[in-house]
Amino acid sequence: SYVLTQPPSVSVAPGKTARITCGGNHIGSQSVQWYQQKPGQAPVLVIYYNSDRPSGIPERFSGSNSGNTATLTISRLEAGDEADYYCQAWDSSGDHPVFGGGTKLTVL
Amino acid sequence: QVQLLESGGGLVKPGGSLRLSCAASGFTFRDYYLTWVRQAPGKGLEWVSYISGGSTYTNYADSVMGRFTISRDNAKKSLYLQMNSLRAEDTAVYYCARGQMTTATLFDYWGQGTLLTVSS
Repeated sequence: SYVLTQPPSVSVAPGKTARITCGGNHIGSQSVQWYQQKPGQAPVLVIYYNSDRPSGIPERFSGSNSGNTATLTISRLEAGDEADYYCQAWDSSGDHPVFGGGTKLTVL
Repeated sequence: QVQLLESGGGLVKPGGSLRLSCAASGFTFRDYYLTWVRQAPGKGLEWVSYISGGSTYTNYADSVMGRFTISRDNAKKSLYLQMNSLRAEDTAVYYCARGQMTTATLFDYWGQGTLLTVSS
């Protein structure tokens, strides 16, 4: 099965840039999505197709994907960005979506 | 606007059964893949199952294969998850989410979730 690996936690000061990685074998050859989940709330799609933003998602959120690593970048970090972030890709062998383990982003 | 509303969660004994429902509105229901994703307490997201718009294609996580059945009623704009032989490890918040028209590769709208607790 296809495994996506995320760091359990990332801590960044407000106003700085946070980068959350998602590792997977040849992940750069497929599309990756990122979801934001705040405590007690449902996940929200923040990046799709590696780098596209749904309407309503600030331009501060961006994504990239190459080789074996996809990255979610959040610039000019705000307190409201504090949340869990999950990457998601596709397991072609099982023909189903797969999620990373999630990264807790703390805004210091 | 697109809305998904899950219902049917509750407390069930191990070995028991339960059916979750997800009522949809705000989009052409029959055109989209739908999926169930669960989240155990304090844990990450786990994909459970998906179904195509016409119910032709379904798939299940290994952890629920043979125990859970996904279905939909396009006339009622509703998605279902029949869960049998429930185990303690099935305890989670269950979310329904909308996929795309031709695949379940991304999920752009999510419900608020319904909690299933499996315990004696």
